[in-house]
Amino acid sequence: EAGVTQSPTHLIKTRGQQATLRCSPISGHTSVYWYQQALGLGLQFLLWYDEGEERNRGNFPPRFSGRQFPNYSSELNVNALELEDSALYLCASSSSFLSYEQYFGPGTRLTVT
Amino acid sequence: SQQGEEDPQALSIQEGENATMNCSYKTSINNLQWYRQNSGRGLVHLILIRSNEREKHSGRLRVTLDTSKKSSSLLITASRAADTASYFCATDETSGSRLTFGEGTQLTVNP
Repeated sequence: EAGVTQSPTHLIKTRGQQATLRCSPISGHTSVYWYQQALGLGLQFLLWYDEGEERNRGNFPPRFSGRQFPNYSSELNVNALELEDSALYLCASSSSFLSYEQYFGPGTRLTVT
Repeated sequence: SQQGEEDPQALSIQEGENATMNCSYKTSINNLQWYRQNSGRGLVHLILIRSNEREKHSGRLRVTLDTSKKSSSLLITASRAADTASYFCATDETSGSRLTFGEGTQLTVNP
C-alpha cells in the first residue's frame, strides 16, 4: 500500500511569490493535516481537512490556505512568501474522523530567498 | 505553541544500550503518540498510547503514560545504529484533531 506522497520534494521561491504544495493521502484516508517544521520553531499545526472541509486551523496568517479535493488529496497555498516561511512542510493523513494515528509524507522543503 | 517537552534534548549511547526519552505535556489529552524523524525527513509513526492506558509495547519499544503527572516515556531496548534519529511525542486533545508536538530528542547510537 502506498504511503502519503507529497510534491514537489524541494521548492525554491523568492519573497513575495506564491507556493503550492500538494499531498496525496493513503488510500481510504479522508483526513489530511498540514504541519510546518521551521528551524528553531519545531513542528507546528497548520491546517486540517476532512471530507473536503476545513476542520481546524493553526495560528498562521490567512496567506496560508489550502483545500481538499473530492479524491481527498490536498493542496497548501502560501501567498506573499516571506523569508521565515522557509521550512519543511509535512502532510499527514488519517483513516477517519475517529482515528488518531496520523501517517506522514516525506515533506516538501520550501526555501524562500 | 509546543505543548510537549522532551527530555533530554540530546542523547548519545552505544549500540546495545537502552535509550529512554521523556515527554511532558500541559493539558488533558486523548492520546499520546511517538514519532521518529530521520535527518529532516518525514515522520514515522512508532506507537500510540491512549489516555486510559498505562503501558504499551511494540517490538523493542516500550511506552508508559502517567496522566496524573502529564508525562510519558519511550524506552528503546538493545539500541542499534539505525535507531539514530529525532524522536517526538505528540498529543491530541480531541478525537481526530490536530497533534501538538514536543521539541524532540536527538538520539545518537554509536556503533
